[in-house]
Amino acid sequence: QSALTQPASVSGSPGQSITISCTGPSSVFGSYNLVSWYQHHPGKGPKLIIFEVSNRPSGVSSRFSGSKSGNSASLTISGLQAEDEATYYCSSYTGTSTNIFFGGGTKLTVL
Amino acid sequence: EVQLVESGGGVVRPGGSLRLSCAASGFTFDDYGMSWVRQGPGKGLEWVSGINWNGNNRADADSVKGRFTISRDNAKNSLFLQLNSLRAEDTALYYCARSKFSSSWYYLDLWGQGTLVTVSS
Repeated sequence: QSALTQPASVSGSPGQSITISCTGPSSVFGSYNLVSWYQHHPGKGPKLIIFEVSNRPSGVSSRFSGSKSGNSASLTISGLQAEDEATYYCSSYTGTSTNIFFGGGTKLTVL
Repeated sequence: EVQLVESGGGVVRPGGSLRLSCAASGFTFDDYGMSWVRQGPGKGLEWVSGINWNGNNRADADSVKGRFTISRDNAKNSLFLQLNSLRAEDTALYYCARSKFSSSWYYLDLWGQGTLVTVSS
């Protein structure tokens, strides 16, 4: 059982927007904004798409955005495209604990 | 090309050992902290171990503490994971991943393709 809770699946049609939630106890989220999101396509290594709650690494589409409020974080994907179909993981690092925590993953289906 | 390539996976009996390697290329390896992350069959990602740029600071998940040891050889641009006292639940695809920071091991911005470890009698 993962320390961070995500919905198992979400779906949307091309062009629509979807939001994936990620919740956890304060002992895991901490008071730091050390939240990240990864996109994982089968057969490939995961890809970092959001770090520090809402920052995008160079080269990641602006269609991906993140936010956090209290012990809950969210990833929003706007203008859904077929290539967005993947599993998405949230992750946190408290800064006080040395451990990295992952959510259980949310499988996004683009209808 | 900037890449990480894992090797060393295989089939091992419960209680056995393996040593995983990760070869880094295309970037200055000792500028970055590193992590190992695994994915069991049908499961999500699980962080395993992390190490800072010079190997002086390390951490392990509770599930592997005392059994797995992360290390690095900056002269050889390589990361390692020694797996001892292996259990069936350690069966997974093991990924090597690079941190955005030198002093820690989170925000993993470069990943390998993984090496498969199967623990079975």
